[in-house]
Amino acid sequence: KQEVTQIPAALSVPEGENLVLNCSFTDSAIYNLQWFRQDPGKGLTSLLLIQSSQREQTSGRLNASLDKSSGRSTLYIAASQPGDSATYLCAVFADSWGKLQFGAGTQVVVTP
Amino acid sequence: DAGVIQSPRHEVTEMGQEVTLRCKPISGHDYLFWYRQTMMRGLELLIYFNNNVPIDDSGMPEDRFSAKMPNASFSTLKIQPSEPRDSAVYFCASSFRPGAQGNTIYFGEGSWLTVV
Repeated sequence: KQEVTQIPAALSVPEGENLVLNCSFTDSAIYNLQWFRQDPGKGLTSLLLIQSSQREQTSGRLNASLDKSSGRSTLYIAASQPGDSATYLCAVFADSWGKLQFGAGTQVVVTP
Repeated sequence: DAGVIQSPRHEVTEMGQEVTLRCKPISGHDYLFWYRQTMMRGLELLIYFNNNVPIDDSGMPEDRFSAKMPNASFSTLKIQPSEPRDSAVYFCASSFRPGAQGNTIYFGEGSWLTVV
């Protein structure tokens, strides 16, 4: 059974510092991987989707890499801002239908 | 587009009562997912539909839970009878050919259920 782990569970950084969020998965036979952001009391907002054939995706200050062979994905957020404070979740597509297996998330606090 | 729309946003109900959660997916999407989020278990997939047909309901915890999708623009998740341990946030999500096609899955704002 696929297991998705996110370490650390919580992270606090000063504004301007780069954020590095880690996601690991046990079964490398994934289809795609998606990173989400969740604000308190809100739903999940999609940040980036990396297809299984890709090694990275970029959107603005966000960059996500994928190494299927080692079972890892990393989300980089450059020059963090207080508005980046949220919980970040990674999810792997466990099958070709779109069934997502989520990690527990990393709670990020960016202090001014 | 208005995104995935869920109702109610918040519900408090007494144990034993029936609860119905509703979802309107994004127009044109052919997949619909119901997830549950709790502090203890995180996000869990309950059931998903493709073209209104249930594909995998192995995540539905008990027979007290049922889900329907009578048409492409509406789905319900019903709990009858409800129990305190059903208290959670229930998310609906939709997508157009996710998985192998590599399309994003979009989530609603969630329905926050408290059973007392």
